[in-house]
Amino acid sequence: GQNIDQPTEMTATEGAIVQINCTYQTSGFNGLFWYQQHAGEAPTFLSYNVLDGLEEKGRFSSFLSRSKGYSYLLLKELQMKDSASYLCAVINQAGTALIFGKGTTLSVSS
Amino acid sequence: GAVVSQHPSWVICKSGTSVKIECRSLDFQATTMFWYRQFPKQSLMLMATSNEGSKATYEQGVEKDKFLINHASLTLSTLTVTSAHPEDSSFYICSASKRGVVPRGNEQFFGPGTRLTVL
Repeated sequence: GQNIDQPTEMTATEGAIVQINCTYQTSGFNGLFWYQQHAGEAPTFLSYNVLDGLEEKGRFSSFLSRSKGYSYLLLKELQMKDSASYLCAVINQAGTALIFGKGTTLSVSS
Repeated sequence: GAVVSQHPSWVICKSGTSVKIECRSLDFQATTMFWYRQFPKQSLMLMATSNEGSKATYEQGVEKDKFLINHASLTLSTLTVTSAHPEDSSFYICSASKRGVVPRGNEQFFGPGTRLTVL
């Protein structure tokens, strides 16, 4: 089967840096995704990692270690609009769809 | 771009009635569409995967007779919640993929969701 673990909630202040961790167990690996979802809205794509290492994209970076079944999303220079749920997702065992973790709700305060 | 729409954006219905939700890919052909359900403060739970012209593949625990999925064209998939009950109240989100197989990178595009409330 597959299992994805993320912290349920995190808080941070404007301008700070926050790291959201995700650990996964899956048979076969075809990449790990991070999505951002504001309440009542559809998820929006942030990143996709299939090889080990850090991928930087503006204020957001995503890291993957396949041997450890571990990824993190790093958000720099936090802004109030970054308050959202961050979803870690991997491709299912059949290789046909995304399976999402429960998401981490990030609250950014001033 | 790659835009996916859903209709309606919200619906309220009485218990026992059926509700149809449409998912459309507006500017691309979607070989595969996915239906998710999301309860408050929970993550997206995959319900089923549908490929154009064939029967949907349902996830374990999802009743195929209750959640009817039709993917009649490359731009439209519908989810019908039959004999809806209050416990079916949820946020239903569809997504569409340009690829016929599992998406890579930013290849899966989500609709804005449909909020279903069953009284």
